[in-house]
Amino acid sequence: SQQGEEDPQALSIQEGENATMNCSYKTSINNLQWYRQNSGRGLVHLILIRSNEREKHSGRLRVTLDTSKKSSSLLITASRAADTASYFCATVASYGKLTFGQGTILTVHP
Amino acid sequence: DVKVTQSSRYLVKRTGEKVFLECVQDMDHENMFWYRQDPGLGLRLIYFSYDVKMKEKGDIPEGYSVSREKKERFSLILESASTNQTSMYLCASSDTGLAGGRGNDEQYFGPGTRLTVT
Repeated sequence: SQQGEEDPQALSIQEGENATMNCSYKTSINNLQWYRQNSGRGLVHLILIRSNEREKHSGRLRVTLDTSKKSSSLLITASRAADTASYFCATVASYGKLTFGQGTILTVHP
Repeated sequence: DVKVTQSSRYLVKRTGEKVFLECVQDMDHENMFWYRQDPGLGLRLIYFSYDVKMKEKGDIPEGYSVSREKKERFSLILESASTNQTSMYLCASSDTGLAGGRGNDEQYFGPGTRLTVT
């Protein structure tokens, strides 16, 4: 069963704008991760946030986690055309085993 | 850099054939995973392994088996391919000690194999 649910399913923005994607999950987690997938390729790990953390930054990425609401958000600031990809959240309940959501398709127009 | 390679990018097989998908990682990772990815369904875990010769069923193991004879290699086997197994297959590895509970669970993915069963 799918643990994470991303919202929106698709997002279309202009270069330079910020992109925000949300993820909700159902059960308690150890950590939550975000991955990017370029068209037809494998996934690339972006960032991990642990259950005892509320916010984390990595370059133009900002992730928040609200365990009381069982939700997370991924913010990409100053987006670029190269950010066009699918973005997945994945939760870890038991060590090492990820459960993925269905993903958000982000399109950044030059 | 961690490298996970998969034996084929594209594969076309006939219904009833036995299909082998191979995955190799070069970072001495303990854990390896096989997923399939379908539109609208996201990634679903088929099988995983946390040690040589060990395997655990994921969410959708029916119709699949796996083999892990060496630490760096994890094979997915379709005993008798069917059209509903047409999909993108992704292999991943991680260095989390599943038994010991250490590590951060980050997974490294291969480029994927797009399998078509006709």
